[in-house]
Amino acid sequence: GDSVTQMEGPVTLSEEAFLTINCTYTATGYPSLFWYVQYPGEGLQLLLKATKADDKGSNKGFEATYRKETTSFHLEKGSVQVSDSAVYFCALSVKAGTALIFGKGTTLSVSS
Amino acid sequence: GAVVSQHPSWVICKSGTSVKIECRSLDFQATTMFWYRQFPKQSLMLMATSNEGSKATYEQGVEKDKFLINHASLTLSTLTVTSAHPEDSSFYICSARPSGGSQETQYFGPGTRLLVL
Repeated sequence: GDSVTQMEGPVTLSEEAFLTINCTYTATGYPSLFWYVQYPGEGLQLLLKATKADDKGSNKGFEATYRKETTSFHLEKGSVQVSDSAVYFCALSVKAGTALIFGKGTTLSVSS
Repeated sequence: GAVVSQHPSWVICKSGTSVKIECRSLDFQATTMFWYRQFPKQSLMLMATSNEGSKATYEQGVEKDKFLINHASLTLSTLTVTSAHPEDSSFYICSARPSGGSQETQYFGPGTRLLVL
């Protein structure tokens, strides 16, 4: 079935370090891909998305490129901040309007 | 931005009792709401899709008589865990899709942590 696999956490970085969180997926057809972020005590928020191959989603300095050939959607940021500390979820949608299929989430902790 | 609330955020109950969790879209109407469940260090698993004015659609393996879902208005969906048992202890999260908006837009609530003793 359709699934999302993302790297195990926690990821611990110093401020201004480079961030990569790996995400790969298995899906039939052509899914849309998402990254959600959950800050402590808050609900999941959409960080970025890509709806077709080679699309790059970007927001708040984060980027992810939809790679169909490697079925990946890795999240990157060139210079993390303490305020980026949160749990990051990779997700896919196989059909518009349906529920999302999530990865297990990766906890990021950034120290100053 | 759009806000979804859940109430309560935390609940502890005795085994055998029922617990109701509310999911509200505060500043938009939502024809469709989704209920997820998350175990520690696991991904969010879809339990059911709730559509206003009709019966919820449950995922395979989710007992509809145990997890009652009511979506009585365009801003409120409730999940009732009936005769709760310790194995029902989990983190329950709802999301709401704005009526008339993008099919791929969903806003998530902050979650409800249930502990059954």
